[in-house]
Amino acid sequence: EIVLTQSPGTLSLSPGERATLSCRASQIVSSNYLAWYQQKPGQAPRLLIFGASSRATGIPDRFSGSGSATDFTLTISRLEPEDFAVYYCQQYGSALLTFGGGTKVEI
Amino acid sequence: EVQLLESGGGLVQPGGSLRLSCAASGFTFGIYSMSWVRQAPGKGLDWVSALSGSGTTTYYADSVKGRFTISRDNSKDTLYLEMSSLRAEDTAVYYCAKQHSWNGGPFDIWGQGAMVTVSS
Repeated sequence: EIVLTQSPGTLSLSPGERATLSCRASQIVSSNYLAWYQQKPGQAPRLLIFGASSRATGIPDRFSGSGSATDFTLTISRLEPEDFAVYYCQQYGSALLTFGGGTKVEI
Repeated sequence: EVQLLESGGGLVQPGGSLRLSCAASGFTFGIYSMSWVRQAPGKGLDWVSALSGSGTTTYYADSVKGRFTISRDNSKDTLYLEMSSLRAEDTAVYYCAKQHSWNGGPFDIWGQGAMVTVSS
């Protein structure tokens, strides 16, 4: 099983600032099959990024993903008030799918 | 509109059984892999099980293997999760999620979730 470790656990920032979230895998993620999700309280997660760097439909371009192999990053270039949420990475390169523990982006 | 709607959640005693359903609409259900993902209260996301579009290939997390069974009825556009020998640690919101392709991929559509509480 691929273990995904997200850091930091909590990121305290202000609107307009840049957020950088990290996701490290315990082994190489096949074909960079790494996705990022956003979850707000009481809501289901929403797909932001897949294939490490491709934005999902309707996702603003202030969200970008990068990285390969075992190290991946989600960057939010300028935080909007609606971006304060919990973010999860997830790998789908192996049959046993796994999620990271999440990073909370708070004001 | 693309939609997933879970049902069947509730309160069950330890050792009991429960079946969740997920009704899909707005897309060609039978050509996509589907999964169940759960989230314990105040915790992160935990993948439970996946099923290929044809229904022939299944995958399970170690924590539920041998106790949970995933299945689908493509004629009814419905995904199921049969849960048995339930434990307190199975208490969670259970989401069904559509995967991006017939044999896997990221979760691009999610249901609203069904709460399962295992308690005496």
